[in-house]
Amino acid sequence: AQSVTQPDIHITVSEGASLELRCNYSYGATPYLFWYVQSPGQGLQLLLKYFSGDTLVQGIKGFEAEFKRSQSSFNLRKPSVHWSDAAEYFCAVALTTDSWGKLQFGAGTQVVVTP
Amino acid sequence: EPEVTQTPSHQVTQMGQEVILRCVPISNHLYFYWYRQILGQKVEFLVSFYNNEISEKSEIFDDQFSVERPDGSNFTLKIRSTKLEDSAMYFCASIPGHIGGYTFGSGTRLTVV
Repeated sequence: AQSVTQPDIHITVSEGASLELRCNYSYGATPYLFWYVQSPGQGLQLLLKYFSGDTLVQGIKGFEAEFKRSQSSFNLRKPSVHWSDAAEYFCAVALTTDSWGKLQFGAGTQVVVTP
Repeated sequence: EPEVTQTPSHQVTQMGQEVILRCVPISNHLYFYWYRQILGQKVEFLVSFYNNEISEKSEIFDDQFSVERPDGSNFTLKIRSTKLEDSAMYFCASIPGHIGGYTFGSGTRLTVV
């Protein structure tokens, strides 16, 4: 069965430090991968997406993600975190075979930024 | 940039009442979805809709739920008899035919009291 795993439920990072959020997926076909960010009580904002091509993807707000097929991973990174990056981050996989277009989300990683 | 519009942004309803959540997808999009997020939990797929019929529905989407696209622009989610556990944020999404165009609405927060 397809699954998306975000191993870290909660991460605390100091402002200015680097951030890496992990995402692993289990899916037989070519994955379409997304990272979304959600502030409390708000909607989902797309940070970046990967479909094919260059495995290093640049997104908004200074985020990037690297697709590694051999590790079934799509980790999100930011070199220097700002206080405004405190939010919940969701990795998602789009299913493209029997459930076309359906997104399966990970459980999310809550990021706390300390001064 | 085109948006998916959801109304209302917040709805409070009494248990047992019917609610209709409304969405206006992007006009040239072909596939439509509803997702649900219970407070503090992950986003869960409810239903997908294509060519005026349900393509797939999850276990959550029981007989109390229904969707329709009554006029070619609106896409609605109806909960016939709400329960306390239906309290959640409901997101509508649409895509044009390729997944690259995935667009979410800003959500409707449903509170059942």
